[in-house]
Amino acid sequence: SQQGEEDPQALSIQEGENATMNCSYKTSINNLQWYRQNSGRGLVHLILIRSNEREKHSGRLRVTLDTSKKSSSLLITASRAADTASYFCATVPGGSGGYNKLIFGAGTRLAVHP
Amino acid sequence: NAGVMQNPRHLVRRRGQEARLRCSPMKGHSHVYWYRQLPEEGLKFMVYLQKENIIDESGMPKERFSAEFPKEGPSILRIQQVVRGDSAAYFCASSPLQGSSYNSPLHFGNGTRLTVT
Repeated sequence: SQQGEEDPQALSIQEGENATMNCSYKTSINNLQWYRQNSGRGLVHLILIRSNEREKHSGRLRVTLDTSKKSSSLLITASRAADTASYFCATVPGGSGGYNKLIFGAGTRLAVHP
Repeated sequence: NAGVMQNPRHLVRRRGQEARLRCSPMKGHSHVYWYRQLPEEGLKFMVYLQKENIIDESGMPKERFSAEFPKEGPSILRIQQVVRGDSAAYFCASSPLQGSSYNSPLHFGNGTRLTVT
């Protein structure tokens, strides 16, 4: 079964607006990672947040993690048409053996309109 | 500084044939992961390999599927006697030896899209 579930499944916004995507998971984790996937391409790593961290920033991206609620959010500020993609959260469950056995959610499909 | 290279990009096989998917990790990376993605879904872990060793194959079907990562050459994911349900995108990802811990992000290839007719 999937570990993570993203919400919403699809999001459509105008350029310049902010986009917020949420992710919930079920078990304890070592870290949570966000990836982007453009249509027909592989995944690109965006941000990794460890289980003892609460917030991380990278450029226009802001990720929060609430381990008590087993949830994370990804905020993209001042969105651009080039941000159009699917966004996936992935967790490394606790006790995963020390390697990157990622468990992915089904993703949020973001469309940013010019 | 080439990334993770997968070939072929697209592969069409008839039911019962064999599919061979290749993955060359990034230079200096000795850890390879294979994931499968069905349409409109996230990726599902299949297998984790280091050079000449299968570390975790818990996500790979016991029958018809096999994977290897030889000392020389690319990693190979092999599917024998393919069925329509094997149609999916198969992604390879790699990580460096030093960063093999779970706190290093994975570098993904662009995938092989397998279609079984």
